[in-house]
Amino acid sequence: EVQLVESGGGLVQPGGSLRLSCAASGFTLSGYEMNWVRQAPGKGLEWVSYISRSGTTLYYADSVKGRFTISRDNAQNSLYLQMRSLRAEDTAVYFCARDGFGEFSFDYWGQGTLVIVSS
Amino acid sequence: SYELTQPLSVSVALGQTARITCGGNNIGGKNVHWYQQKPGQAPVMVMYRDDNRPSGVPERFSGSNSGNTATLTISRAQAGDEADYYCQVWDSTTAVFGGGTKLTVL
Repeated sequence: EVQLVESGGGLVQPGGSLRLSCAASGFTLSGYEMNWVRQAPGKGLEWVSYISRSGTTLYYADSVKGRFTISRDNAQNSLYLQMRSLRAEDTAVYFCARDGFGEFSFDYWGQGTLVIVSS
Repeated sequence: SYELTQPLSVSVALGQTARITCGGNNIGGKNVHWYQQKPGQAPVMVMYRDDNRPSGVPERFSGSNSGNTATLTISRAQAGDEADYYCQVWDSTTAVFGGGTKLTVL
């Protein structure tokens, strides 16, 4: 059974940093592109970042470019999102999502981890 | 940047057909994917590449995409279909989501 479990969320002050993790099981992470998607409270879905299977190709939403870094450790079956210079508008539930069809789509999602940026 | 437009809400009578649209400039030239999200839960993919159902999604769900509009059609709507639905495309180096449509089953 495919499972994605995010962790690392919490309360952080504006300007602070946080590192999110996503543990994958039930499939071999190295075979799939991965993404982070977020959802602010009461709002819609917003794509954050993409990483290719090998980790050599990275894409970011303009809203996080230069502040967030996506990475992966295929040997550990883990995906990461390093977040720096956090702002109030980064407050959201962060989901990791697998691209199972190679279509830049998201066939499996984790349950999400909540990040709150507030003083 | 590419934009996707969805109606804020759609209502459907129990057992009838609901159609949720997703508008975008020449969206027919892109692959459109759809997600269902129930309150407090993660999104679930219900359609990929316009008209393909992932395993486990009922045949009542179908999709189409042409011109400037993609459509998710839910036949014989059930109470359990009540949820938010999002369309999504990939544009250059960015994934784009529609604003979401709240489906109410009356």
